[in-house]
Amino acid sequence: EAGVTQFPSHSVIEKGQTVTLRCDPISGHDNLYWYRRVMGKEIKFLLHFVKESKQDESGMPNNRFLAERTGGTYSTLKVQPAELEDSGVYFCASSQDTGRVGGYTFGSGTRLTVV
Amino acid sequence: GDSVTQMEGPVTLSEEAFLTINCTYTATGYPSLFWYVQYPGEGLQLLLKATKADDKGSNKGFEATYRKETTSFHLEKGSVQVSDSAVYFCALTRGSARQLTFGSGTQLTVLP
Repeated sequence: EAGVTQFPSHSVIEKGQTVTLRCDPISGHDNLYWYRRVMGKEIKFLLHFVKESKQDESGMPNNRFLAERTGGTYSTLKVQPAELEDSGVYFCASSQDTGRVGGYTFGSGTRLTVV
Repeated sequence: GDSVTQMEGPVTLSEEAFLTINCTYTATGYPSLFWYVQYPGEGLQLLLKATKADDKGSNKGFEATYRKETTSFHLEKGSVQVSDSAVYFCALTRGSARQLTFGSGTQLTVLP
């Protein structure tokens, strides 16, 4: 089966610009998660979708970040306007809700650099 | 809240050396514990996991034992290879379909 796909793989933008990251989960996976790793620190949870609904968005840092999941399929994460501290690697993961712990599949990530 | 603390890197070893990467956690209840690995240019991959106390997860020669008394899940491998060079992340979750809490990652470089 195809894995979790993220694009772009890299993005360099100027402070104040807008960037949209996309994640295509594994087909049939209802759960979709966004995480990010800033400056070589820990990977932090941003939010969790179940189908098209936001189950938990407690990790979203501020209102410059907007996540959507159209029709419960792919998801986008928009940063507007971007700030320098938003630089990092953004990971997406998906899973089925089978009750089995740890069934996450991660994408390769999008490396965002804000200059 | 939940947290995971990993030994700071980077770690550089010679091929066939013994590897230990320490991981301790803070969480309520009985979390499940994981080690993820990120090879250069790739996404995070599950290396091994343990879902209850005293469980030992193992894969590709790596092992980690869930120690509730010391709240630890240290990663070990008896003989590392150059191909093991990667970033290793310790993580926990408190249920299926719940988010993961990660440590800061440990960069491992194995020299031939």
